[in-house]
This record gives sequence, structure tokens and C-alpha cells, in this order.
Amino acid sequence: NAGVTQTPKFQVLKTGQSMTLQCAQDMNHNSMYWYRQDPGMGLRLIYYSASEGTTDKGEVPNGYNVSRLNKREFSLRLESAAPSQTSVYFCASGDRRDPMHYGYTFGSGTRLTVV
Amino acid sequence: EDKVVQSPLSLVVHEGDTVTLNCSYEVTNFRSLLWYKQEKKAPTFLFMLTSSGIEKKSGRLSSILDKKELSSILNITATQTGDSAIYLCAVERRNQFYFGTGTSLTVIP
Repeated sequence: NAGVTQTPKFQVLKTGQSMTLQCAQDMNHNSMYWYRQDPGMGLRLIYYSASEGTTDKGEVPNGYNVSRLNKREFSLRLESAAPSQTSVYFCASGDRRDPMHYGYTFGSGTRLTVV
Repeated sequence: EDKVVQSPLSLVVHEGDTVTLNCSYEVTNFRSLLWYKQEKKAPTFLFMLTSSGIEKKSGRLSSILDKKELSSILNITATQTGDSAIYLCAVERRNQFYFGTGTSLTVIP
């Protein structure tokens, strides 16, 4: 089925550890995004990639890096995890040329806990 | 500073009630406003609004954009327990969507 696939679904890290969240979409969308969702804060954009080969910072980029590996894949890396990065992370993709998915299609989320 | 504000933050109603959720925004270079429903996992798309005054409807849900007042409402009539969720409003600016904090709706039998 078409959609956005995120892995892993759950992860517990110790402070200072690193990890990469993976995201892949099979809808041929140009744009991909990483959001974090915290209670009372809504969804906040971490990084986005408007097209293959480009990435840009969103509202809360500190402590994260991203890679747009190809058109399908957009990964998010935490180099040295901190408890403040405990959150639910969502990957999304979208394309203005696709009226069915003009807004976003979201992945199912990654619940990350940093202890 | 761009911002999207939703109200109320939470709402508890009985089945059969009608609810109105609000979204106001201050975003430069506004392009569109979207409503999402979020249950346990990822948000799912409900409506996209670009023109003022045009109502979008899907069953018991409807939404209108007021570009003069920089706001939108989402109406749900004859609520059901399955409508219990967080409803998110997002405003598009350039390549990005700015999300509000959401309204948590609980429908009790």
C-alpha cells in the first residue's frame, strides 16, 4: 500500500547515544518533512526537504541532522541524544502536484525516550 | 512571528451534540489551511481550504475559511464516540505547514 514508512516505532536511548530514524515514501513526492510532537506544543517542524538534494531547517533543528538519501528516503539523526529530545517523531511527505496528497501524508510515528 | 492558535484546547461532549472548533492564524504569505484528525497515531487529512467563504463538507464534518478574520472553523454535527480525537489545524506558508497545538475532543456515550 502507498504511504510513508517510519522505523523504528519505539526506541529508548541513553543520554549521549546516537541514532538514526528512517523514513521512506512510495508516492513519488518531492517534499519530505520531519516533525516532533510534544504535549501542549503541537507538531513542530525539525527539518524539511523540498526536493531531492536539498534540505532546510525548520523551527527546532538544534541537535538534529538530516539526509535526503534519494527521492524516497529522508533520515533524521540524533548525534548525541538529550532528555529534551524525548518526543514522538513523525515523518511526512507531500506534493502540490498530487491533489490527493497536497497536504501531508504522515508516517505512523516513532516514540523516542531518552533517559 | 507566525502562529496558529486553536480553541478550545479540550472539549467533552455527549453523543449527538454539535461542536465547533476554532483556528486562528497569523502567517505571512498564507497559501492554505488544512484540518487533520489525530487518533492514536498519525494525523489523517480532513480538509484543505484556500478560498474564503467556501464550505468543505464530508458527511457530518464541515469547515469554512474566513480570510478576512484570519480564521477557520470545523463543525461536527451529531457527534459519535468515534469522533474522539485531537483535531489539528495547519496553515501553509511557502513550503511549510505550521500546526496549532490542537483541540482534544472527547465524545461520551
